[in-house]
Amino acid sequence: GAVVSQHPSWVICKSGTSVKIECRSLDFQATTMFWYRQFPKQSLMLMATSNEGSKATYEQGVEKDKFLINHASLTLSTLTVTSAHPEDSSFYICSAFNERKNIQYFGAGTRLSVL
Amino acid sequence: RKEVEQDPGPFNVPEGATVAFNCTYSNSASQSFFWYRQDCRKEPKLLMSVYSSGNEDGRFTAQLNRASQYISLLIRDSKLSDSATYLCVVNPVGSARQLTFGSGTQLTVLP
Repeated sequence: GAVVSQHPSWVICKSGTSVKIECRSLDFQATTMFWYRQFPKQSLMLMATSNEGSKATYEQGVEKDKFLINHASLTLSTLTVTSAHPEDSSFYICSAFNERKNIQYFGAGTRLSVL
Repeated sequence: RKEVEQDPGPFNVPEGATVAFNCTYSNSASQSFFWYRQDCRKEPKLLMSVYSSGNEDGRFTAQLNRASQYISLLIRDSKLSDSATYLCVVNPVGSARQLTFGSGTQLTVLP
């Protein structure tokens, strides 16, 4: 079964609205989670590293005020796309790092379509 | 130059064929290497780690050449179910905490 649960799997929203995506590690506690974005026929691009109990670390070019990350517990990280616009339409994937196994497990992804 | 470069393909091969994918990476400090598989509109899944001595898992063989900063994946006796995008993945910090993905090589195995 899935080790990392990501919800929702698909969301359609109007331009200007905010969308929250949840990422949960099911079988282990994850102090570190990652958020990626993937455009069609392109590679996964790391957006930010989510650290439990502290601020997320954003990659260059990713607006922290637009992509709000909260990692309030050892099993849950959320990504909120604020004031979404059509150019934010993409496939967003989270992952959780299992320190004991030294493996990064991925969620099933969220397909965001902004109209 | 991209950190991880792959031939995007597509590779269209008949069932039973042997196919090889190549990947180069730019950061010589990269310490861990992986091949992931991604099906259409799905998340990436770890196929295998790549070790310096080369390693094999059933029909899949991975090779690493640190001097040339080159990684390969060989698939023997291709199955229809092998159709997917294969992602070359590296990280420079010796753990899986941060991964850099190649853009992937698309494989279609034809009946």
